[in-house]
Amino acid sequence: DSGVTQTPKHLITATGQRVTLRCSPRSGDLSVYWYQQSLDQGLQFLIQYYNGEERAKGNILERFSAQQFPDLHSELNLSSLELGDSALYFCASSLGHGEEKLFFGSGTQLSVL
Amino acid sequence: KNQVEQSPQSLIILEGKNCTLQCNYTVSPFSNLRWYKQDTGRGPVSLTIMTFSENTKSNGRYTATLDADTKQSSLHITASQLSDSASYICVVSARAAGNKLTFGGGTRVLVKP
Repeated sequence: DSGVTQTPKHLITATGQRVTLRCSPRSGDLSVYWYQQSLDQGLQFLIQYYNGEERAKGNILERFSAQQFPDLHSELNLSSLELGDSALYFCASSLGHGEEKLFFGSGTQLSVL
Repeated sequence: KNQVEQSPQSLIILEGKNCTLQCNYTVSPFSNLRWYKQDTGRGPVSLTIMTFSENTKSNGRYTATLDADTKQSSLHITASQLSDSASYICVVSARAAGNKLTFGGGTRVLVKP
C-alpha cells in the first residue's frame, strides 16, 4: 500500500459528461501529480500541485482542470468527455517538488461510452 | 527536448532466467534516474533511485546500473519469477523548475513457467 488513495476505482460515463477524480496523498506529502495512461501507452504527465499551488503543467487538455485543497487532497475534473479520454488516471504524491521518490495510487479507470 | 527511450518494448523470458532492460536518456541537467515496476492495472512502484554519483543499486533480485557519461541505464532481473511479469518504467529527473520528470515508454516483461 503506497499510502496514496484514489477514488473512485472505476468510473463509467457517457460522452459529453463531466467527472471528478479524487486523490488523497500520503500523509505529510505536499506534492500531488496527475498522470493519464491510455491503453498500452506510457504515463503522460498532466499537472502537479505543490502545497496548494500549481507547480508544473504537462499535456493537460483545456477540458481538464485540477486543484489541490488546503488539506492537500486533490481533484481532477474532466469535462465534455470524449471516447478518447478513456484511460487509467493515476495520482502520485511526494514530500517535496519531485526530486525524491513518487508514490502512486492504484488509479481510477475511466470508461467513456 | 528531454527524452527517455527504453528497449526492448517487450520481452518474454522463462522462469528462473535473467534479463536486462535498457534505458537511454537525453535529460539535462540530470538529477536522478528511477526504475519503477507497474503491474497491470496498478500504479507504478519504485524499485531504485540513482543519482549522478551512483553507478549501481540493488533491490532484491533487481539491479540497476547507471552510466552518466553515456546517459544509459540498465535494469537486470536475476532468477526471474512469475511475479516479475510487469511493465518496467525508466524515469529521469532533471534539476529544473517545473516538470522535472521524463518517463520512458516502459518495457513489458512476461515471465513464463
